[in-house]
Amino acid sequence: AQRVTQPEKLLSVFKGAPVELKCNYSYSGSPELFWYVQYSRQRLQLLLRHISRESIKGFTADLNKGETSFHLKKPFAQEEDSAMYYCALNDSNDYKLSFGAGTTVTVRA
Amino acid sequence: KAGVTQTPRYLIKTRGQQVTLSCSPISGHRSVSWYQQTPGQGLQFLFEYFSETQRNKGNFPGRFSGRQFSNSRSEMNVSTLELGDSALYLCASSYGGGRETQYFGPGTRLLVL
Repeated sequence: AQRVTQPEKLLSVFKGAPVELKCNYSYSGSPELFWYVQYSRQRLQLLLRHISRESIKGFTADLNKGETSFHLKKPFAQEEDSAMYYCALNDSNDYKLSFGAGTTVTVRA
Repeated sequence: KAGVTQTPRYLIKTRGQQVTLSCSPISGHRSVSWYQQTPGQGLQFLFEYFSETQRNKGNFPGRFSGRQFSNSRSEMNVSTLELGDSALYLCASSYGGGRETQYFGPGTRLLVL
């Protein structure tokens, strides 16, 4: 069974400070990992996925298969980054996303 | 392209009633998935449909069911509603499912009294 763990429920940082959201997974195969974000009163939307290796809104995430982690990082947090962030894993044969519990990020001025 | 749409956006029902929620995927998308979002349990997978066939089902009781039509639109039904069914129900679509990015709708917020 696959499992996604986001150990931090809440994360508060100052504007301009680095932010890192942790995500660990357990999966026996080769996972497809995503970060989704939900801004206040908006729908859940894709932030980035590991296979594309893109940097979106200054965020990056590196898949570390040895540590089974997919941490999300941004060097300089902005107030508009305040949102709920979900790490998700997609099994190639399962046709479903398994989500972590989510981390609420608050960026203070 | 228009995004995923869900109707209705809000619903209030009483225990024992049944409810049907609707989802229209992005044009060209043939895979539709449903998720339940609650503060306590987070986002949980309900089921996934592709070309009118259910390919996977989450760990929910049989009161939760769904279907997909030939135009890829999908409905989910919850019968004999319980208080614990109060949640935000999200629909997501993708071209073929699997490892593809899923695009989410705004959700239907269901309150069971």
